[in-house]
Amino acid sequence: AQSVTQPDIHITVSEGASLELRCNYSYGATPYLFWYVQSPGQGLQLLLKYFSGDTLVQGIKGFEAEFKRSQSSFNLRKPSVHWSDAAEYFCAVDEYNNNDMRFGAGTRLTVKP
Amino acid sequence: EAGVAQSPRYKIIEKRQSVAFWCNPISGHATLYWYQQILGQGPKLLIQFQNNGVVDDSQLPKDRFSAERLKGVDSTLKIQPAKLEDSAVYLCASSRTSGGPNNEQFFGPGTRLTVL
Repeated sequence: AQSVTQPDIHITVSEGASLELRCNYSYGATPYLFWYVQSPGQGLQLLLKYFSGDTLVQGIKGFEAEFKRSQSSFNLRKPSVHWSDAAEYFCAVDEYNNNDMRFGAGTRLTVKP
Repeated sequence: EAGVAQSPRYKIIEKRQSVAFWCNPISGHATLYWYQQILGQGPKLLIQFQNNGVVDDSQLPKDRFSAERLKGVDSTLKIQPAKLEDSAVYLCASSRTSGGPNNEQFFGPGTRLTVL
């Protein structure tokens, strides 16, 4: 079955430390790939997206993600985490480019002072 | 530009009651989506509208859920009768069109439904 997997339910990092959130998908072709962030009581905000071209994508708030076709992965990274980055992060795929997005279960990020 | 508006923000009902949620998308956005987000899970698409027509409602439980977007602008999602498992956050999103590399879905704050 087609799926989006975020293996880490909860991650805790210290402020200033680096961050990597994992995302794997099981679609046959190269889908369109997204990362969203959701703060408590808020809707989802798009951090970045990948459609084609350069496999390293830059997003807002200092985030980046790298598409690795061989690993079917699209991991999100940030070199130095800020306390305001504490939130829930969702990876999503759009297989047919019709905005029918399928979301992973999310990774909750806690930032320690 | 104003964002996607949703109301109410919170709703508590008893099972077998009915409930309705309202969404007003960003002005000019032709495509509107309703998602269900159960606690601990990612959002699941329930229905997608293009203007006032349904594009995809394959994951909408049609025996109890209904949605409309009569004038191609705002939309209402209804549940009748509600079940305990309907407790979730219902998110509305909109985009300029459906699909395309430059398209982006903008999400509202959601309505948190608790069914007792």
